[in-house]
Formats: sequence, structure tokens, C-alpha cells
Amino acid sequence: EDQVTQSPEALRLQEGESSSLNCSYTVSGLRGLFWYRQDPGKGPEFLFTLYSAGEEKEKERLKATLTKKESFLHITAPKPEDSATYLCAVQASGTYKYIFGTGTRLKVLA
Amino acid sequence: DVKVTQSSRYLVKRTGEKVFLECVQDMDHENMFWYRQDPGLGLRLIYFSYDVKMKEKGDIPEGYSVSREKKERFSLILESASTNQTSMYLCASRHEVGVGGELFFGEGSRLTVL
Repeated sequence: EDQVTQSPEALRLQEGESSSLNCSYTVSGLRGLFWYRQDPGKGPEFLFTLYSAGEEKEKERLKATLTKKESFLHITAPKPEDSATYLCAVQASGTYKYIFGTGTRLKVLA
Repeated sequence: DVKVTQSSRYLVKRTGEKVFLECVQDMDHENMFWYRQDPGLGLRLIYFSYDVKMKEKGDIPEGYSVSREKKERFSLILESASTNQTSMYLCASRHEVGVGGELFFGEGSRLTVL
């Protein structure tokens, strides 16, 4: 069965304290892995797509990496405005469906 | 920028009422989706539309129906709302590129059924 597990469920960091969020997945043929940011009461905002193991993408303080079993979202020197829930989703080959994890709630303290 | 607009951010309805949630996208995307999001359960797919007047059931279609009469508009209908349909509803769209591509989401519609 295809599934996505994100860890930790919640993470509190001091401003400037770098860390990583994990997304472990099992899927029968990966079409793409997606990272989203979601602020409270709002819809998810697209961050990155990764398609193959070894691929990396960067945007400001965020860097996403992908292996055959998991993806990491690295946050370097976070700021309070990085506080949000980060969602990971995978799409299997040959399907339109996306499987979402339940997210990591990140809180960055000033 | 892609814009997906959901007509109502917050709704409060009574049990048994018919509820319409509307979604409009402005990027000529072929595919549109309706999800619901509940704490601890993540996003669950209700319905998917791959083209005008075309639809497929998602993982939790019971109690819902959809309508897509125009390419840019995708409506979710709760024929008779129940309390267990209290949730955040998210509309999304994407280009038809094989079966890949990122989703673009609306701001969400938080529905409370009393």
C-alpha cells in the first residue's frame, strides 16, 4: 500500500537553529514528490517537486532532497516567518492521485 | 501566478441543508480536485475532474457530488449536510501533463455543520 509518513509531528526551533523535516514514503513507482507549506486556516502553497533520487531543490532558507525511500526538507537559519505546517505528498506512476502526509508543524521562536 | 479562488472562506450550515462550494481557477488547467482536510487525517480526495463534464470518485465520495460545466469552475455539492462533514475543504488544480505536476490550491472553505 502506498503511504507517506512525516516526522516529527511538531518541531520548535529557536531563530537561527537549523534542522530537517523528514518524509518517508512507499510507493509503487514514484512519479513525483511534492513539498507544500500551509499557514493556519489557509490552503497549501507549493514549494518543490522532486522526481528522482539524488535530486535537490533550494528556495531561500529551504532545501529539499530525495532518496529512494525518503525526502528531507532542510531549513537553514530559520526565522519566525518560517513557522507553518509543511506537507509532503507523493504521486505514483500511472495515477492522478496524490498521497499526502499529515504534516510537520514548525514553530520558530524569536 | 496561478490563482484558485474558493467562493466562501467560512460557512455555517444546519444538518440536512444543501451546500454548494465553488472553485474557480484562472490558468486554463484541465484537472481539478476537491479534498477535505481533517486534523490527524491529512488531505483526502473527494472527487477529481480531468476535463469538462468528466469526473472520478476519489477516496471518500460518499455524501458528495460535483459539477464541472465549464473548464475553470468545479463545484462540490453536499446534498444533505451532516455533522461529520464539518471540515476544511480544499480545491486544487493542475495542468494535464501526463499524470504528473504540482497542485495549486485555493485558500480553503471551512464548513461547520450544526
